[in-house]
This record gives sequence, C-alpha cells and structure tokens, in this order.
Amino acid sequence: DQQVKQNSPSLSVQEGRISILNCDYTNSMFDYFLWYKKYPAEGPTFLISISSIKDKNEDGRFTVFLNKSAKHLSLHIVPSQPGDSAVYFCAASASLAGTASKLTFGTGTRLQVTL
Amino acid sequence: NAGVTQTPKFQVLKTGQSMTLQCAQDMNHNSMYWYRQDPGMGLRLIYYSASEGTTDKGEVPNGYNVSRLNKREFSLRLESAAPSQTSVYFCASTMPTAHYEQYFGPGTRLTVT
Repeated sequence: DQQVKQNSPSLSVQEGRISILNCDYTNSMFDYFLWYKKYPAEGPTFLISISSIKDKNEDGRFTVFLNKSAKHLSLHIVPSQPGDSAVYFCAASASLAGTASKLTFGTGTRLQVTL
Repeated sequence: NAGVTQTPKFQVLKTGQSMTLQCAQDMNHNSMYWYRQDPGMGLRLIYYSASEGTTDKGEVPNGYNVSRLNKREFSLRLESAAPSQTSVYFCASTMPTAHYEQYFGPGTRLTVT
C-alpha cells in the first residue's frame, strides 16, 4: 500500500513559468513533509519541508503548500529554471517518541524545464 | 566535511555471491539509514539505526543484514545476492530527533547477474 503517492511521473515546463508538483498521502499520522531533489547519479538532496501545523512554507523560488483535510501537498517553483530539471521526491514522517525519523517516499516526478 | 560517503560506487555480483556496502558520515549524526531505489518505486527503507548500538528493520529487510560499527559507520551486507537485489542503494544520516532532514550519500549501483 503506497502511503505517499506522486501520480505524475513526469512534468515539462517552460523556463520562467511555474512548476507545480503534487503529492498525496493516506496515513493521517504523518505530521512532517519534505521535498527532495535528485539529479542522475547523485543522492537525493533536501529542498524544503513543512510541518503539519503550517499550511505554507516558502524558501526563495520554492514554496510548499499543505492541505491536511485533503491529505495533499504541492511544491511550487517560480520561476522555473533549466537547472531545476531533476526528479523530485515527496517524503513524509510521523512523530514517534524514541524512534529515529523514518521517511516514507513517493515514487518521484521527473521535471524537465525547457528553454 | 565529506558528508555521507559510500563505497563502492558500482558493483557487479553473480547470484549467490556476498558483499558489504560501506557507509560513513562525518556530521556527528546519531541516526543512519539504508534505502534502495528501483524504477517506479521511489526509495524504500531497508534497515536503520536510531543510534550507535541499535538497528531495526525497515520496509524491505529480507536478504540483508546491517552493522552499526560505530557512530560514523553503518554497513549493509548481502549474504547471498539475488537478481531481485539489483538496485541503487543509498545511505543517509540525520540528527536523532524527529523531523530533521536526512542527508544522503551518492549511492552504490549494484547489478546481480
């Protein structure tokens, strides 16, 4: 059972326009959400995160929105740049006392930013 | 600061062979993780170590063993490799409290023939 879903395997956006990547989750215990970016032949790198007590978090060109009632989050990139072309993974974790932070990942969305 | 390092970068094994993937971090993180990434499957947790001296199974532990050698090092062992273990393996580390982002190594691409 896929607890974190990214239903769009790929997305193509023109340079300068907005990229919107979506993620849905089913586990209501998740209370922290992260986006990772991955280039080919490299490990994922952390991009931005949001706690369930917020509905928006912004960092430069990147904004994450969380809709808890819909169990949905999205990553907005404005403006999109060619260097943003990568695979983006959504991840979620649940606060469990005394345990390590375990992340559940989605299957990823490949973003291509075209000139 | 090298971050998280993994060796080897590439490996080809025959079915039934064994090998150990090495991971080390120099960020003084307490928790370490092993994931595998397969096409269309995202990253799946194999084993993790919340702190030195402890290890626990993740989502897909079958066929693997781990050792938390010390605070810095966390190794993953395949005792008898199978073609289904062909994958890219990532090691990650993080601070001990929940919600700290995990830092990933560059990965090991393993092919089992």
